[in-house]
Amino acid sequence: DAGVIQSPRHEVTEMGQEVTLRCKPISGHDYLFWYRQTMMRGLELLIYFNNNVPIDDSGMPEDRFSAKMPNASFSTLKIQPSEPRDSAVYFCASSLWERELFFGEGSRLTVL
Amino acid sequence: DAKTTQPPSMDCAEGRAANLPCNHSTISGNEYVYWYRQIHSQGPQYIIHGLKNNETNEMASLIITEDRKSSTLILPHATLRDTAVYYCIVRVPPSYGNNRLAFGKGNQVVVIP
Repeated sequence: DAGVIQSPRHEVTEMGQEVTLRCKPISGHDYLFWYRQTMMRGLELLIYFNNNVPIDDSGMPEDRFSAKMPNASFSTLKIQPSEPRDSAVYFCASSLWERELFFGEGSRLTVL
Repeated sequence: DAKTTQPPSMDCAEGRAANLPCNHSTISGNEYVYWYRQIHSQGPQYIIHGLKNNETNEMASLIITEDRKSSTLILPHATLRDTAVYYCIVRVPPSYGNNRLAFGKGNQVVVIP
């Protein structure tokens, strides 16, 4: 298996623009997680899905952030409008039931 | 989930065993101890987990004290590629209704040649 695949790997955009990050989980996994990592706050869980249904979005910072999982093989994290403080590395992870999380390589976002 | 305390950083010698401590004095009976690591610029990687018994896999060994208030991750023969931030996490299994995995600040381990 190719593992968790994220795109883009790097994104540079200007404040106010819409940003869409994409994730393909490992086939057969029923949980999908979005994390954000910054130097100041470390790794933060934003939201997770089970069987494509959002279960816990309490970590989503504000209404500018939204996440969807239209099917078992694809998820998006959207920021609209983006702000400089959204600059971070965004990780997607997937897991099978109670087993360990597998993380993607991350998407590094820079908002100017 | 119970909080954990790890040293912020430590060095260890290449080829020697690396013993990474973790305190989790408020751990409850149904909480597991998990270890992940994050090599620079990569996503976190699962290492091992346990409840009360010591565990071993191809990557490491996990020693949990009898009172479960602390644990030690052992890398048997540290290599330069083991340089990473190591996270000790305690949490209940997802079957208890929550699959959140919360990372703290971790322990920056540097393996020195």
